[in-house]
Amino acid sequence: RKEVEQDPGPFNVPEGATVAFNCTYSNSASQSFFWYRQDCRKEPKLLMSVYSSGNEDGRFTAQLNRASQYISLLIRDSKLSDSATYLCVVNDGTYKYIFGTGTRLKVLA
Amino acid sequence: DAMVIQNPRYQVTQFGKPVTLSCSQTLNHNVMYWYQQKSSQAPKLLFHYYDKDFNNEADTPDNFQSRRPNTSFCFLDIRSPGLGDAAMYLCATSRDRGVGNEQFFGPGTRLTVL
Repeated sequence: RKEVEQDPGPFNVPEGATVAFNCTYSNSASQSFFWYRQDCRKEPKLLMSVYSSGNEDGRFTAQLNRASQYISLLIRDSKLSDSATYLCVVNDGTYKYIFGTGTRLKVLA
Repeated sequence: DAMVIQNPRYQVTQFGKPVTLSCSQTLNHNVMYWYQQKSSQAPKLLFHYYDKDFNNEADTPDNFQSRRPNTSFCFLDIRSPGLGDAAMYLCATSRDRGVGNEQFFGPGTRLTVL
């Protein structure tokens, strides 16, 4: 089993749709959780950190479920510019950041 | 703006010809990382520096070396690039290691090996 697993997609959604991604992690000792966005042939950019209580930033909402060991990302009112790969990243409290292989999102006009 | 800068953005080298990639940061972060990312794969950690302490990953080939002459700069040396080393090389920084420390990435260097 991979340490961090994501559905690779692609998720093809129309503009204005709501889309959700899940990410599961295997290490129950994991302590920090992040969502990054990566555009084609570019670097990962931090979208948001994920806190135990869940957090929201505009159209983006992240949730953490420690009992089931998954995190989620919800995007409301999708824009064409949201098309990218979304990487789930988990840190176990050390220097190691474990990346999922990403979920590809395509928002269609 | 504070940031992570990588040079060059694109590097073409010949099989076996040494190459050096550079990374600099104005964030004054303690930790610097080098990742290799191939198409449709997750970034793979090669090594990291915690201040001046170098930490190699067990599966990083000896062909890859790194130097961090000061807080701001870090270099990745590929001594004898092979065709399999063609990839995007990403430099990242974090303020510290451990809980709550976010990583910030440079724009990457795309390496082509002919």
